[in-house]
Amino acid sequence: NAGVTQTPKFRILKIGQSMTLQCAQDMNHNYMYWYRQDPGMGLKLIYYSVGAGITDKGEVPNGYNVSRSTTEDFPLRLELAAPSQTSVYFCASRRGEAGGNEQFFGPGTRLTVL
Amino acid sequence: AQRVTQPEKLLSVFKGAPVELKCNYSYSGSPELFWYVQYSRQRLQLLLRHISRESIKGFTADLNKGETSFHLKKPFAQEEDSAMYYCAPRLSGNTPLVFGKGTRLSVIA
Repeated sequence: NAGVTQTPKFRILKIGQSMTLQCAQDMNHNYMYWYRQDPGMGLKLIYYSVGAGITDKGEVPNGYNVSRSTTEDFPLRLELAAPSQTSVYFCASRRGEAGGNEQFFGPGTRLTVL
Repeated sequence: AQRVTQPEKLLSVFKGAPVELKCNYSYSGSPELFWYVQYSRQRLQLLLRHISRESIKGFTADLNKGETSFHLKKPFAQEEDSAMYYCAPRLSGNTPLVFGKGTRLSVIA
């Protein structure tokens, strides 16, 4: 199993540009999450999904959108990039209560908005 | 308000010294508690969960419901323990993990 994969690893955007951060997992996990990690601030939840077709906002959803058309994929969309979105983005997945509560993380995408 | 607090941003200890990373939470009910670790240039990974009551890499964590704490301890720190440590409660099975701001542990040779 590849686990949780994220692409790209790094990206530099100009203000106002848009992009999609890709996340995929091959563990048939029901739950998927997007966090951003800022220095000294820990991880903040952006969006999450409890299954295909279901998404919900986390703590800091503004400026982002997600979709979950399949169990495997959970892309994060930035429509109008702003410098405040400079961060490291982590995707994570979890099977669910019956299958265990450990959350598995991807390697992260480092995004810089200039 | 539901909150998790890791009071130390940075903790430096000498190799072989005991280490304790503090975590306090303010949640109603009985949250499930986890410690995650991020080594340099690696992804976050699970270190401990309170329901397992296990010791991983020499680390233990005891849930103290009276003090609402879940401190991470190790009697003898090693250089390879240097990393970022996050305390993370989950209120119920379907809710996402909430992460503390993290404590960077630096073990000095």
